[in-house]
Amino acid sequence: GQNIDQPTEMTATEGAIVQINCTYQTSGFNGLFWYQQHAGEAPTFLSYNVLDGLEEKGRFSSFLSRSKGYSYLLLKELQMKDSASYLCAVMDSNYQLIWGAGTKLIIKP
Amino acid sequence: EADIYQTPRYLVIGTGKKITLECSQTMGHDKMYWYQQDPGMELHLIHYSYGVNSTEKGDLSSESTVSRIRTEHFPLTLESARPSHTSQYLCASSVLAGETNVLTFGAGSRLTVL
Repeated sequence: GQNIDQPTEMTATEGAIVQINCTYQTSGFNGLFWYQQHAGEAPTFLSYNVLDGLEEKGRFSSFLSRSKGYSYLLLKELQMKDSASYLCAVMDSNYQLIWGAGTKLIIKP
Repeated sequence: EADIYQTPRYLVIGTGKKITLECSQTMGHDKMYWYQQDPGMELHLIHYSYGVNSTEKGDLSSESTVSRIRTEHFPLTLESARPSHTSQYLCASSVLAGETNVLTFGAGSRLTVL
């Protein structure tokens, strides 16, 4: 079967750095997405990786290793507004998205 | 300013009622989706559409129907609501072509069936 694993919850301190991991086993691979979802709101797109390596976008970076079936989302200079759930999703060989359950990130002052 | 609109945002209804959740987008996207999301759980695809007159079933489609008569409109209908349908329903859209297939989500419809 297809599976996306990510930690259920993480806690970090304002101003610090946090890394949210995602491992996947899917039927084929056509890219990996990270979305941010604040409580009670819609998910919003953060990043897309299809080739190995690091993609940087401001305070957020996303890394992919296709051989290891592994990605992480790195958040730097954490702000209170970064408190949210972070969803990892993989597009399989049929171009369907397989979603992880999300990682709830709690930022403490 | 939202580009994809869902109504109602919140709905409480009794068992056996027929309901329609509305979704409209103003971006001209070809592909549209309905997802179900429960707290702490992954998104489950209910239905999707590649364009007008196209509808496809996802993982949880057996108890609902959709239609796509116009590009911008993709309503979801539950013929007979049950307590097990209590959940958050998210509508999304994306461009059909292109590699990234980034989804834009609506704010969601939270349904409670008593």
